Amino acid sequence: DTEVTQTPKHLVMGMTNKKSLKCEQHMGHRAMYWYKQKAKKPPELMFVYSYEKLSINESVPSRFSPECPNSSLLNLHLHALQPEDSALYLCASSREPGLGYEQYFGPGTRLTVT
Amino acid sequence: GQQLNQSPQSMFIQEGEDVSMNCTSSSIFNTWLWYKQDPGEGPVLLIALYKAGELTSNGRLTAQFGITRKDSFLNISASIPSDVGIYFCAGQLGSGGGADGLTFGKGTHLIIQP
Repeated sequence: DTEVTQTPKHLVMGMTNKKSLKCEQHMGHRAMYWYKQKAKKPPELMFVYSYEKLSINESVPSRFSPECPNSSLLNLHLHALQPEDSALYLCASSREPGLGYEQYFGPGTRLTVT
Repeated sequence: GQQLNQSPQSMFIQEGEDVSMNCTSSSIFNTWLWYKQDPGEGPVLLIALYKAGELTSNGRLTAQFGITRKDSFLNISASIPSDVGIYFCAGQLGSGGGADGLTFGKGTHLIIQP
């Protein structure tokens, strides 16, 4: 089983709202990732968690706050977003960090900021 | 951030034709991955390549890891309507020095004409 699940599937939020995106995997993977994908563009890396610790932050604005409560869960907390943050947010996981193992992606959360 | 050079950008083919696309990079990667993405969905892993010169097949798909570790190609034989979508190549350094994310090509949009 190589399933990564994400909720919600769609999210519409105002610029003053606080919301969270959730990601879950039960493959025993120890690396988890957040990517952002704009229309007609490839995914862009935002954050990497290795063994539940944040190891890479690709200069993402502080209005995006990641959290890894345990080895199976990854959250992305959103606050005071801008309309340009509207995008498909993808979660991914891989077996071990840093060893080049393949990454498996979830279906994504389509975020619209109004 | 860094991107891979993926070509062609789009392909219009007839059902039953063979398809070929490739990616090149100015940097060495230790892992090359090929994904397919349907509209509104997350990327689905097609083939993973780990060794320079490696040639791997998955059904009608064949991919190779270039001997210089700076390029990869994907071939699809006897295309069918469900092959329509966007194909992304992705490279990962995987140097063992810590988790790293994927660097993506810009994608090849495959369109099959009736």
